[in-house]
Amino acid sequence: DTAVSQTPKYLVTQMGNDKSIKCEQNLGHDTMYWYKQDSKKFLKIMFSYNNKELIINETVPNRFSPKSPDKAHLNLHINSLELGDSAVYFCASSLTGGRAQYFGPGTRLTVL
Amino acid sequence: SQKIEQNSEALNIQEGKTATLTCNYTNYSPAYLQWYRQDPGRGPVFLLLIRENEKEKRKERLKVTFDTTLKQSLFHITASQPADSATYLCALGGGVGGGADGLTFGKGTHLIIQP
Repeated sequence: DTAVSQTPKYLVTQMGNDKSIKCEQNLGHDTMYWYKQDSKKFLKIMFSYNNKELIINETVPNRFSPKSPDKAHLNLHINSLELGDSAVYFCASSLTGGRAQYFGPGTRLTVL
Repeated sequence: SQKIEQNSEALNIQEGKTATLTCNYTNYSPAYLQWYRQDPGRGPVFLLLIRENEKEKRKERLKVTFDTTLKQSLFHITASQPADSATYLCALGGGVGGGADGLTFGKGTHLIIQP
């Protein structure tokens, strides 16, 4: 009965590869997010998305793209991976309107 | 640009005492402020939310205050226990300077409760 799940938990890949991280929530929330937590543990919003609107943090490279097949899923696709993409990526969900966000367990991405 | 500062990277408190964590922000007028707890290797866990028109919120041993004039929030854990040891994150959202519902996080305060 996991609320927000992510796969895989660990992802090790070579520079230049394309990879995806999957996220699913079973809370009935209408808004989902992707956050990046770097090596200094600083958590930064990358995207927020609901049925109507995708908000992109302007600092996120266009190599990153969220894809939502339905309300319960928000996957993250990353093209042409770079060393600096190494981080922990967290998916989260909430009801819209500034409510509590529920985070997944994170995906640790290592780019070699 | 928006800036959120949380007091000290680490805070050591004796068990049973009250731990007080500070969150200050600049260049932002948030509609709400949230506190999260993060344990090593895990995702943040929501604790409390307080909106701009509220001064104080409580939940069990937790209390948060929000002063929009001082641009500061204080987070208190009373009767602290070793199990409260974790990193606590302040997060702001909504209002002027915020984007959609995405949160802007501080770097966190690592709280250590010593037996």
